[in-house]
Amino acid sequence: EPEVTQTPSHQVTQMGQEVILRCVPISNHLYFYWYRQILGQKVEFLVSFYNNEISEKSEIFDDQFSVERPDGSNFTLKIRSTKLEDSAMYFCASSRQGDYEQYFGPGTRLTVT
Amino acid sequence: DAKTTQPTSMDCAEGRAANLPCNHSTISGNEYVYWYRQIHSQGPQYIIHGLKNNETNEMASLIITEDRKSSTLILPHATLRDTAVYYCIVKNNQGGKLIFGQGTELSVKP
Repeated sequence: EPEVTQTPSHQVTQMGQEVILRCVPISNHLYFYWYRQILGQKVEFLVSFYNNEISEKSEIFDDQFSVERPDGSNFTLKIRSTKLEDSAMYFCASSRQGDYEQYFGPGTRLTVT
Repeated sequence: DAKTTQPTSMDCAEGRAANLPCNHSTISGNEYVYWYRQIHSQGPQYIIHGLKNNETNEMASLIITEDRKSSTLILPHATLRDTAVYYCIVKNNQGGKLIFGQGTELSVKP
């Protein structure tokens, strides 16, 4: 069964450094998402992406964040200058259409020290 | 998107049916009810969704009341691996984002 994959599973970085989190969505899916979950808190929507552009973003997704689909398979989330409060699990998801169910990856645990 | 209300936690005996309720009294006509679950620290997992008819798949059944103001997710024979946080989410078909609440923490006990 196809699944969403994410790398790395755990990333440790120092405050102020740039990180890139990578996702490979399910191959015939057209909509891509990033969510995050701070330890002990709710899963929060960050951004959705369709047809090579952002379709929606939350207040969390400020200028420090960017997303890209550099080729036909990868979908990346970049945090330009990490802060301590960016420490969280980051989940990538994809769906065939915008109104279809979303399938989530296993997540990347980002720890900012 | 309409708000949902779920109990904070529930217990269920292994092998018995788990019935997880959800209230969504402000749901509008074009909004679907989705259920996801999250097993500890893993990515959320899609379970089932419906508009107004009851739905069943290999994982669960979804019962939606006739007025659509509430629904129940049924896991017919709960196992220890069903221990997770279950999220009921109401979503329209315009935008893709999912808005997660706190969900119901289901503990399946031997």
